[in-house]
Amino acid sequence: GAVVSQHPSRVICKSGTSVKIECRSLDFQATTMFWYRQFPKQSLMLMATSNEGSKATYEQGVEKDKFLINHASLTLSTLTVTSAHPEDSSFYICSARDSQGKADTQYFGPGTRLTVL
Amino acid sequence: RKEVEQDPGPFNVPEGATVAFNCTYSNSASQSFFWYRQDCRKEPKLLMSVYSSGNEDGRFTAQLNRASQYISLLIRDSKLSDSATYLCAVNPGSYGQNFVFGPGTRLSVLP
Repeated sequence: GAVVSQHPSRVICKSGTSVKIECRSLDFQATTMFWYRQFPKQSLMLMATSNEGSKATYEQGVEKDKFLINHASLTLSTLTVTSAHPEDSSFYICSARDSQGKADTQYFGPGTRLTVL
Repeated sequence: RKEVEQDPGPFNVPEGATVAFNCTYSNSASQSFFWYRQDCRKEPKLLMSVYSSGNEDGRFTAQLNRASQYISLLIRDSKLSDSATYLCAVNPGSYGQNFVFGPGTRLSVLP
């Protein structure tokens, strides 16, 4: 299947700092990428839809000024958690659609585990 | 009513057992359906798509019932390695729209 990478896989930071997470589609082009957050023992929650060359679409309750998304190329989307606080500690996962794929399938990155102290 | 619902489980079954999960969805216009498997502290991995005619992949069989708006996953001859959380995903609208994920069903296969 298609490969999606995320970096970093794990980050620990102090409260108030900003953290950038990268999501890359390695062997396909992705005009659309999705950012999810998953708290322990809970389901995936969509945060935003990242569209290449345009503004991201945020889900209700997700602060766009706190979670900055940039999708500057067909293979890269970044999520920046600004002024992170302990309640932002979570597992952040991106997924990408193959723009030229026949099947409407999302491929997930391995996730980034964020711990804010 | 939530868009996509699943029994959270856990389902504890012995090795070799057959186990089935259901997933109901509320949007009758939903276009495509998938089962994902998620291991603890890992990302979801696509297990199989669900086609209208049903499809089988080895020990796994997926079915779609549009009339009753649910999809199912059947696992035969359960292995210890099948222990995971199984998420159903539904595309509620047009191609390319984001999926809605169910909360997942936890399966534990016991020796």
